[in-house]
Amino acid sequence: GQQLNQSPQSMFIQEGEDVSMNCTSSSIFNTWLWYKQDPGEGPVLLIALYKAGELTSNGRLTAQFGITRKDSFLNISASIPSDVGIYFCAGPPAGGNKLTFGTGTQLKVEL
Amino acid sequence: NAGVTQTPKFQVLKTGQSMTLQCAQDMNHNSMYWYRQDPGMGLRLIYYSASEGTTDKGEVPNGYNVSRLNKREFSLRLESAAPSQTSVYFCASKDRLFGGELFFGEGSRLTVL
Repeated sequence: GQQLNQSPQSMFIQEGEDVSMNCTSSSIFNTWLWYKQDPGEGPVLLIALYKAGELTSNGRLTAQFGITRKDSFLNISASIPSDVGIYFCAGPPAGGNKLTFGTGTQLKVEL
Repeated sequence: NAGVTQTPKFQVLKTGQSMTLQCAQDMNHNSMYWYRQDPGMGLRLIYYSASEGTTDKGEVPNGYNVSRLNKREFSLRLESAAPSQTSVYFCASKDRLFGGELFFGEGSRLTVL
């Protein structure tokens, strides 16, 4: 099936640092979604992107829809302890209706 | 605000036992989904229901059955549990099949011994 590869798999950063993670696909996506999963909870939508090249912010989070439509990036500025969790990219491949999820990036923040 | 509610939250089964995971949503959504989450694999779609009365296979349907009981409820059944089905299961819903935000339940952690 369709694979979305996320990198890094995990990262351990200092509070206050900026964070970057990305997601790549072997096929084209028309929508890119970024979800966050807190420990013991289900994922929650952070940002949705609908157009190639689109740059969208939600507070300290900024995500970009790659020009090739095969990748997306998420940046978190000035990380805080509550940013801890797993971040997933997701999207329906072009022409499809079912969401494919990436493998996740686990973020740990050191005080 | 209940959103998507799953029961049970934890379950331990022996190989060969059967069980049903229950899911209900109170957002009047048309589409409902069951995912499993395994370390390093992300979330994989087991089955989904685009609307009341319909169900379709996802990426990993083998060993599972589903029932869309009504618009609110979508259950997942394991007829003969196997250790490979040890996982965290998430139910999700959204208001339409194409587009829209997917809302998740809190998950059900299943261990098969």
